[in-house]
Amino acid sequence: DAMVIQNPRYQVTQFGKPVTLSCSQTLNHNVMYWYQQKSSQAPKLLFHYYDKDFNNEADTPDNFQSRRPNTSFCFLDIRSPGLGDAAMYLCATHTGAGEQYFGPGTRLTVT
Amino acid sequence: AQSVTQLDSQVPVFEEAPVELRCNYSSSVSVYLFWYVQYPNQGLQLLLKYLSGSTLVESINGFEAEFNKSQTSFHLRKPSVHISDTAEYFCAVSEVSGGYQKVTFGTGTKLQVIP
Repeated sequence: DAMVIQNPRYQVTQFGKPVTLSCSQTLNHNVMYWYQQKSSQAPKLLFHYYDKDFNNEADTPDNFQSRRPNTSFCFLDIRSPGLGDAAMYLCATHTGAGEQYFGPGTRLTVT
Repeated sequence: AQSVTQLDSQVPVFEEAPVELRCNYSSSVSVYLFWYVQYPNQGLQLLLKYLSGSTLVESINGFEAEFNKSQTSFHLRKPSVHISDTAEYFCAVSEVSGGYQKVTFGTGTKLQVIP
């Protein structure tokens, strides 16, 4: 059974048109993460939530926002996508054993 | 600050041959170490992890990694690879900080298994 679910798997948006990616988890963990992964690169942490506490990485652009209405759901909002924002976006949570559990990702294309 | 170095960006290897993917890390504190595998257009899947105890850890599909503290390494090995092992492999390190794990990933190694 899927434990971290991301929808949609593929998203196409237009330059400058706001887009929202969603993530849900069935593990009931209090920490959730959003990563950006560009082709042939390592995942880059954008931000994480510890319960409702939002923690932004210092180099995450203001164009990226997030919401976590409850433990299960977390959203990534890109207010004005640029061509450079085309990437795979990965959502993750973590288990008590120290590892992170990733969703399948959403591949964002900006036209 | 912690960092991870994966020296090889691509590793081609013939099917049924052995392989080693190298990973070195640096950190000022004790760390957890991980290997993740990523298949095309998919998320990362945990392959194996070192938290404490035995320095040799194994996965269910024949991979193993050995934590070497003196050399700050966590190399991934498999004695005989299969076509299905073709994927990208990421080494990662984390330290527990304030209740969450800040994970630093290496730049990845693409394993290409040649029939």
